[in-house]
Amino acid sequence: AQSVTQPDIHITVSEGASLELRCNYSYGATPYLFWYVQSPGQGLQLLLKYFSGDTLVQGIKGFEAEFKRSQSSFNLRKPSVHWSDAAEYFCAVGGLTTSGTYKYIFGTGTRLKVLA
Amino acid sequence: SQTIHQWPATLVQPVGSPLSLECTVEGTSNPNLYWYRQAAGRGLQLLFYSVGIGQISSEVPQNLSASRPQDRQFILSSKKLLLSDSGFYLCAWSGSPTNEKLFFGSGTQLSVL
Repeated sequence: AQSVTQPDIHITVSEGASLELRCNYSYGATPYLFWYVQSPGQGLQLLLKYFSGDTLVQGIKGFEAEFKRSQSSFNLRKPSVHWSDAAEYFCAVGGLTTSGTYKYIFGTGTRLKVLA
Repeated sequence: SQTIHQWPATLVQPVGSPLSLECTVEGTSNPNLYWYRQAAGRGLQLLFYSVGIGQISSEVPQNLSASRPQDRQFILSSKKLLLSDSGFYLCAWSGSPTNEKLFFGSGTQLSVL
């Protein structure tokens, strides 16, 4: 069965500092991996996705993530955080179901706080 | 372009009352549809997904049900709400057959009192 673990519930960084949000997944085959961001009371916006190919993927808003199969990880990074990055971040894994569609399982999220 | 509509935005319901949340997608056909619930500190929990009209897969046994009466309409229902049904409910769709990513609605904040 698919599962996603985000070990950090809360992270606080200073504006301008670098950021890394951790994500570990469990899936029997090559997974589709995603990072989403959610502002308070809003839906989710896709930051980036990995399907295959280059294991370092670039996303919107200056974010990137690296797929490491040996570690079953897909950590999200940003070299310099802006105050507007404060939000909740979700890692997700997509896997094929027996009905032929994809099921997307999300982690519990990491809430990012940015200090001025 | 494709859009997803979800309503109402907020809802306050007494325990034991029925529930109906509606989600519609425009600009695409035969989407895969999903209902998620987000409770405080628990991330997004997949409740139901559907690959077509009348086809519903349930992920977690619970007090809720889902229906898909039309291709681009997905409804989340309950006959009698429980306190534990409170949460933020999100509808989402993905394209078929590419299934590349989920597009989310703006959510419904449900408070059961």
